[in-house]
Amino acid sequence: DGGITQSPKYLFRKEGQNVTLSCEQNLNHDAMYWYRQDPGQGLRLIYYSQIVNDFQKGDIAEGYSVSREKKESFPLTVTSAQKNPTAFYLCASCDRANTEAFFGQGTRLTVV
Amino acid sequence: KQEVTQIPAALSVPEGENLVLNCSFTDSAIYNLQWFRQDPGKGLTSLLLIQSSQREQTSGRLNASLDKSSGRSTLYIAASQPGDSATYLCAVRQGSNYQLIWGAGTKLIIKP
Repeated sequence: DGGITQSPKYLFRKEGQNVTLSCEQNLNHDAMYWYRQDPGQGLRLIYYSQIVNDFQKGDIAEGYSVSREKKESFPLTVTSAQKNPTAFYLCASCDRANTEAFFGQGTRLTVV
Repeated sequence: KQEVTQIPAALSVPEGENLVLNCSFTDSAIYNLQWFRQDPGKGLTSLLLIQSSQREQTSGRLNASLDKSSGRSTLYIAASQPGDSATYLCAVRQGSNYQLIWGAGTKLIIKP
């Protein structure tokens, strides 16, 4: 089945620690996105990539980093510089054309 | 700057009723509009995608309309069921990076 897989489903981070969230897609989509979702707010864009080895900052990129070494993979690292990382993180992909966006099942990150 | 608004923020109706969810946007220069469903703690499931040149799309009991000139879309749910309870999100796609701009969602509860 084609789709987007995010892992892990739940992640706990200690203060000062970097953690990496995985996002893999087998839809052959060029574009991939990372969003953050907080209660009562709309989704906010962290980073996006339209092609391998290229990515751009979204609205709230501070404290996050990404890489796009392969078309199917777009991992997100939450660094210690992100002061309030507790949130639900969603990965999405779409074709570069005017098509439907697909989402993974999300990773819930909690600072302990 | 594009702003997407969803009203109401929450809605509770008895099972069997037909209902309408609203989504408005301020900039009509969009590629498409997409409706999603999100169950608690889960990722987003795409429901309907309406291209900017289209007026409506239908899938089963769901019908989405788009009036680009007035900046409005509606999601009509016929014969609602308890399983329809979820948060419904709309997003418009725009710009050279095909970015999605999100509403904050409508939380729908269908009472048995």
